Amino acid sequence: DAGVTQSPTHLIKTRGQQVTLRCSPKSGHDTVSWYQQALGQGPQFIFQYYEEEERQRGNFPDRFSGHQFPNYSSELNVNALLLGDSALYLCASSSNRGRETQYFGPGTRLLVL
Amino acid sequence: AQSVTQPDIHITVSEGASLELRCNYSYGATPYLFWYVQSPGQGLQLLLKYFSGDTLVQGIKGFEAEFKRSQSSFNLRKPSVHWSDAAEYFCAVGAAYSGAGSYQLTFGKGTKLSVIP
Repeated sequence: DAGVTQSPTHLIKTRGQQVTLRCSPKSGHDTVSWYQQALGQGPQFIFQYYEEEERQRGNFPDRFSGHQFPNYSSELNVNALLLGDSALYLCASSSNRGRETQYFGPGTRLLVL
Repeated sequence: AQSVTQPDIHITVSEGASLELRCNYSYGATPYLFWYVQSPGQGLQLLLKYFSGDTLVQGIKGFEAEFKRSQSSFNLRKPSVHWSDAAEYFCAVGAAYSGAGSYQLTFGKGTKLSVIP
């Protein structure tokens, strides 16, 4: 049983570019959450997707957007990249049944130059 | 809004010594509480969680944590540390959404654990 997978593992972009990160949830999970972890910090909640809709959003600008597909996989898109967007982006999957653990993927490390 | 404080940025212990990592939270309702561990360059692995019931919870790798509502704390403990425990440890509180089955996690800034052989 594969856990949460993310691609790519590393990415280098320049300021102003756009990036798309991908996540496949753990088998049996229908909910995907995205977190940003800056260097030396704890992860910060970006948003959560369930039934192909954004259900909850953290304190992130509209440059951050996402999508969930019918197979529950998800994408995180960031437009107009800033140097401050350099971080580890973590995807977590869970079930909507309630009180379910969020399982994290290995992350995508994004460097913006 | 919920918040988590981990007062210790970096802790160093000798192998075989006991360990306690502190976590204080702020949340208006009964919290969902978690401890995750992160090795360098890796994602987060769940050590243990508290939703309700027994306030002393057991986790993987010999870790345990105790929920103390009166102190708003959820400290992580291990009686004897192994060199492989060196990593960064994050405490998190889960805020449930009204009418929904899931929650968002708010993390502390983490405590880096170093282990001296």
